[in-house]
Amino acid sequence: QKEVEQDPGPLSVPEGAIVSLNCTYSNSAFQYFMWYRQYSRKGPELLMYTYSSGNKEDGRFTAQVDKSSKYISLFIRDSQPSDSATYLCAMSAGGTSYGKLTFGQGTILTVHP
Amino acid sequence: DTGVSQNPRHKITKRGQNVTFRCDPISEHNRLYWYRQTLGQGPEFLTYFQNEAQLEKSRLLSDRFSAERPKGSFSTLEIQRTEQGDSAMYLCASRGGSSYNEQFFGPGTRLTVL
Repeated sequence: QKEVEQDPGPLSVPEGAIVSLNCTYSNSAFQYFMWYRQYSRKGPELLMYTYSSGNKEDGRFTAQVDKSSKYISLFIRDSQPSDSATYLCAMSAGGTSYGKLTFGQGTILTVHP
Repeated sequence: DTGVSQNPRHKITKRGQNVTFRCDPISEHNRLYWYRQTLGQGPEFLTYFQNEAQLEKSRLLSDRFSAERPKGSFSTLEIQRTEQGDSAMYLCASRGGSSYNEQFFGPGTRLTVL
């Protein structure tokens, strides 16, 4: 079993929809949680970073972390065609893990006009 | 451009050849990571540098792979005797400075081994 499991999708939604992306993890040492967006044949771009349970909002994006359930989510409100990309959850432990990231396998999102 | 840069962006090579990739991190970042990403998967950790010291290597990094960061600035990743299974996107990331816990990725080097 992988340390991080991401709902693989793919997801196809109409413009303006609310999108929910989810990951579960098994390693209780994970303390830092990130969401990256990756366009085709490009490097991942950091969208959201959080280290505590609860919600963090940035514009149309909300990251949610539930450490007790080992579950994280990313919500995208008023989705736009430009949001079409692969979304990757990533997490890291503290201490001697040196901040190396463990990623989910990614969810391909398509927002159609 | 103050982001992470990687060169070359694309590399096509024949099986058995050696290849070398370069990563230039964000200038104030002292921590540098290499990851490998295959189609349809998330990136997988390969190795980590703090300044010039290589502090961790994944078991994915066979003895055909070597990475260096000689002056604590840019880094190189070399693959010797390439195999078709080495075909992937090789990503570099850095962190440090004011964004201490956040890793920023470069555009990647896409390797195709024929």
